[in-house]
Amino acid sequence: RKEVEQDPGPFNVPEGATVAFNCTYSNSASQSFFWYRQDCRKEPKLLMSVYSSGNEDGRFTAQLNRASQYISLLIRDSKLSDSATYLCVVKGNMLTFGGGTRLMVKP
Amino acid sequence: EAGVTQFPSHSVIEKGQTVTLRCDPISGHDNLYWYRRVMGKEIKFLLHFVKESKQDESGMPNNRFLAERTGGTYSTLKVQPAELEDSGVYFCASSTYATSGHNEQFFGPGTRLTVL
Repeated sequence: RKEVEQDPGPFNVPEGATVAFNCTYSNSASQSFFWYRQDCRKEPKLLMSVYSSGNEDGRFTAQLNRASQYISLLIRDSKLSDSATYLCVVKGNMLTFGGGTRLMVKP
Repeated sequence: EAGVTQFPSHSVIEKGQTVTLRCDPISGHDNLYWYRRVMGKEIKFLLHFVKESKQDESGMPNNRFLAERTGGTYSTLKVQPAELEDSGVYFCASSTYATSGHNEQFFGPGTRLTVL
């Protein structure tokens, strides 16, 4: 079983749609949680940290459920520029990456 | 401010040859990390330097891989001899020192290694 599991997608959505990604992790001792964004053939870039209380950054909302070891990312009003791979990342002693969920936003 | 840089951007070598990848972290970042993504798999941690010291090298796949960070500035990752399964994208990341919590890791553009 992978340490961080994500649906690889792709998620094909029209502009303006709301889309949600989920992620589960196996190590209950994990300390910190993140969503990274990776464009094709580019490096990963931090999108946002994820807190148990939930956090929002513009159109993006992240949520952590420690009891279920589950992380989510919600994107509202999708833009063409949101097309990318979204990586769920968990930190224990090191960063552990999920395989990524690919999002394609169509006009 | 310059970001993390990596050299070369691409490398194509034959099985059995040696390749050395270089990473220049953001100036002043004490933490330097190496990661690898092989085809179809997730990004995996290789090792972590704090300044010139190896803090954690639990992700290094075998003794064909040697990482150094002499002087605590740039780092090199040498693969000798390279095998077919070493093909992938090697990312370097750096972050500032943190006594607790998490400091954002900034990733370099990666080196795409192909072993034929």
